[in-house]
Amino acid sequence: DAGVIQSPRHEVTEMGQEVTLRCKPISGHNSLFWYRQTMMRGLELLIYFNNNVPIDDSGMPEDRFSAKMPNASFSTLKIQPSEPRDSAVYFCASSLDGGGNNEQFFGPGTRLTVL
Amino acid sequence: AQKVTQAQTEISVVEKEDVTLDCVYETRDTTYYLFWYKQPPSGELVFLIRRNSFDEQNEISGRYSWNFQKSTSSFNFTITASQVVDSAVYFCALSEIGTGNQFYFGTGTSLTVIP
Repeated sequence: DAGVIQSPRHEVTEMGQEVTLRCKPISGHNSLFWYRQTMMRGLELLIYFNNNVPIDDSGMPEDRFSAKMPNASFSTLKIQPSEPRDSAVYFCASSLDGGGNNEQFFGPGTRLTVL
Repeated sequence: AQKVTQAQTEISVVEKEDVTLDCVYETRDTTYYLFWYKQPPSGELVFLIRRNSFDEQNEISGRYSWNFQKSTSSFNFTITASQVVDSAVYFCALSEIGTGNQFYFGTGTSLTVIP
């Protein structure tokens, strides 16, 4: 299996622009997670899905952030409008199923820079 | 309250020394899972090990070993005969059966192995 795939790997944009990050989970995995990693805050869970349904989005910083999972093999995280403080590495991860007993497999991350 | 505490922010050791990374967790669940992840300088998060709360057997995998002690709520990670390639940030994580698939990550310990 190719593992979790994220695109783009790097994104540089200007403040106010819309940013869309993409993720393809491992085939057969039913849970998908979006994380943000910064030096100041470490690794933060933004939102996670089980069977394409958002379960907990309490980590989403504000209304500028939105995430969708239209099908089992694709998810997006959108920031609109972007701000410099959104600069971070965004990771997508997937795991086999719910229950908390399965390890999460992480994608390579998208490094976002908002100027 | 922080569910996973990694008190050691940074550790430096000389190659071939042994090093132990501490992880203390907090949970009221009787069923839970503990994980360690490695994040090398390249940035990806690599799964190392999973442990469930009913299995306190220590585990050894090559130069890596893990010591799980429920009595002290700790899940420490030891690298024997450290190598430069072990230089990375190591994260401990907790998953509680009651909260589904959500992981609680510690803040990480940055390990530098000096040649």
